[in-house]
Amino acid sequence: TQLLEQSPQFLSIQEGENLTVYCNSSSVFSSLQWYRQEPGEGPVLLVTVVTGGEVKKLKRLTFQFGDARKDSSLHITAAQPGDTGLYLCADPEAYSGGGADGLTFGKGTHLIIQP
Amino acid sequence: DAGITQSPRHKVTETGTPVTLRCHQTENHRYMYWYRQDPGHGLRLIHYSYGVKDTDKGEVSDGYSVSRSKTEDFLLTLESATSSQTSVYFCAATDANYGYTFGSGTRLTVV
Repeated sequence: TQLLEQSPQFLSIQEGENLTVYCNSSSVFSSLQWYRQEPGEGPVLLVTVVTGGEVKKLKRLTFQFGDARKDSSLHITAAQPGDTGLYLCADPEAYSGGGADGLTFGKGTHLIIQP
Repeated sequence: DAGITQSPRHKVTETGTPVTLRCHQTENHRYMYWYRQDPGHGLRLIHYSYGVKDTDKGEVSDGYSVSRSKTEDFLLTLESATSSQTSVYFCAATDANYGYTFGSGTRLTVV
């Protein structure tokens, strides 16, 4: 099973600052998903990236997939308290190399945005 | 948007007792999953299903069994609960487009 390394583990910043969190693997991803999880809730899908070098934007969130498809980053501009949560990257094809045999998750980045 | 409903949301049980967690989906997704989430380990796959009566083991399946008699329901059973199974359990579902939808979780405490 492919190992997904996320960094940093914890990040606490002030409202209005910018931040970037990372997801890396020693193997190539076919695709990669980012989720956000709030306390007491399940993860919610933010984006799926598929093509090397791909950049996707979701309001103040920018997702980038590395050219070699072995890493991805999530950049948040002008962070707000509502961005607080656990950010998880996940590989939808780690278990089988195809099909829907389950996601493999990184351990996540705990993000706190202080007012 | 009912999506996925898990029940119960919280449960405390004694060591050695059987426990069944329920997952109900309203989206008619073919694939369903059970994960557990633990500090330091993240989310790990327990079992999954690719159709009615078709199930398979995930990464941490020991001590767990599952059943899927209807498309909308996926049950997770702990045959004889142990303290190591204290965790938060999440159900998820998807179709082949890989967009996974998760339930809100069941917090299980085994004492």
